[in-house]
Amino acid sequence: ELKVEQNPLFLSMQEGKNYTIYCNYSTTSDRLYWYRQDPGKSLESLFVLLSNGAVKQEGRLMASLDTKARLSTLHITAAVHDLSATYFCAVDRDGGATNKLIFGTGTLLAVQP
Amino acid sequence: DSGVTQTPKHLITATGQRVTLRCSPRSGDLSVYWYQQSLDQGLQFLIHYYNGEERAKGNILERFSAQQFPDLHSELNLSSLELGDSALYFCASSVYSGGGDTQYFGPGTRLTVL
Repeated sequence: ELKVEQNPLFLSMQEGKNYTIYCNYSTTSDRLYWYRQDPGKSLESLFVLLSNGAVKQEGRLMASLDTKARLSTLHITAAVHDLSATYFCAVDRDGGATNKLIFGTGTLLAVQP
Repeated sequence: DSGVTQTPKHLITATGQRVTLRCSPRSGDLSVYWYQQSLDQGLQFLIHYYNGEERAKGNILERFSAQQFPDLHSELNLSSLELGDSALYFCASSVYSGGGDTQYFGPGTRLTVL
């Protein structure tokens, strides 16, 4: 059974600091997704990583994928309050017939001024 | 706004009742996925339809069923509701069915079972 683990579960950081969220998954997959969820809101797609070594950046967020280590990271550079949210990674397993996503536990990020 | 719509936004009902949640995918998307989000279970995949055909089932209870209609909208039917069914139900849509396709999530339906 595919399992997806994130750490930390909760991250409190100061504005201007850097930090990394880690996402580990238990079986082989080349496809890793990052989503953001604000409280009481829907999920917003941030990144789709489709191959080993893939790196994508958008603003202060950068995501990477190491399929051999079954690890993805979401790096936050010079955090600002607007980045406060819950971040989920997700892996899809079956490929061809379906793209069902298995989500991690989520990381609640709180950026303090 | 992802372009995926869900109705109703909130639903409050009693144990033992039956409800229907509705989802309209983004224009042009053929796949609809249903997910359940709760505090104890997290985000869980329920079921996937592609162009009217069921493609995958996840942790979906037998009391739950879904379908996708010819106009591609989808409905999730929940029956014999229990307190533990209280959760946020999301649908998501994507263009295709296979891996690597971004899923766009709707605003969700918050179900409260009293």
